[in-house]
Amino acid sequence: QVQLVESGGGVVQPGGSLRLSCAASGFTFSSYGMHWVRQAPGKGLEWVAFIRYDGNNKYYADSVKGRFTISRDNSKNTLYLQMNSLRAEDTAVYHCAKTTPGDINYFEHWGQGILATVSS
Amino acid sequence: SSELTQDPAVSVALGQTIRITCQGNSLRNYYASWYQQKPGQAPILVIYDKNNRPSGIPDRFSGSSSGNTASLTITGAQAEDEAAYYCNSRDRSGDHWLFGGGTKVTVL
Repeated sequence: QVQLVESGGGVVQPGGSLRLSCAASGFTFSSYGMHWVRQAPGKGLEWVAFIRYDGNNKYYADSVKGRFTISRDNSKNTLYLQMNSLRAEDTAVYHCAKTTPGDINYFEHWGQGILATVSS
Repeated sequence: SSELTQDPAVSVALGQTIRITCQGNSLRNYYASWYQQKPGQAPILVIYDKNNRPSGIPDRFSGSSSGNTASLTITGAQAEDEAAYYCNSRDRSGDHWLFGGGTKVTVL
């Protein structure tokens, strides 16, 4: 079955960096677009970034553009989110999500998420 | 504007029907999808595209859309349906995705 497992979270000071990973299994990773979605404590869901199945198209939320970079390594079945210049408002649980077959607009499977805390 | 609007909270008696709505201009171009999230858990896709349910989602969940409004209907709500529900769609620009603020459903 599909499994998505995030890692790399933790506590970082404002202005610092973190690199999140999402290990995928149970499906042909190289055939699917992938998203990152975050949820601040007690708040709703916020879309963060998308990457096409081959890594050639990437989109970002305005709130993270220029600071975050989404990437993937299809040989390792792994999705990444490099987060630089972190701010307190980036504190959230970050989920990776696999799209539905043939359509990048829907988030079919989600990882449990990993907490990134930005605090001095 | 680029946003999706949901009522913050609704309640429904056990076994009754509830409809949750989501409004936004992007819904004129893209179908909504709906996600159920229980406390401490990852969201689960319950409805996507015109009115599709992933395997394992009960058929009491259904979706519809008209103009700038998408709706999720739970016909015969069960206690286990108590959760937050989020709508989502691609933005009209095509390079962003949007989530509604979420609707907390309480089953009485």
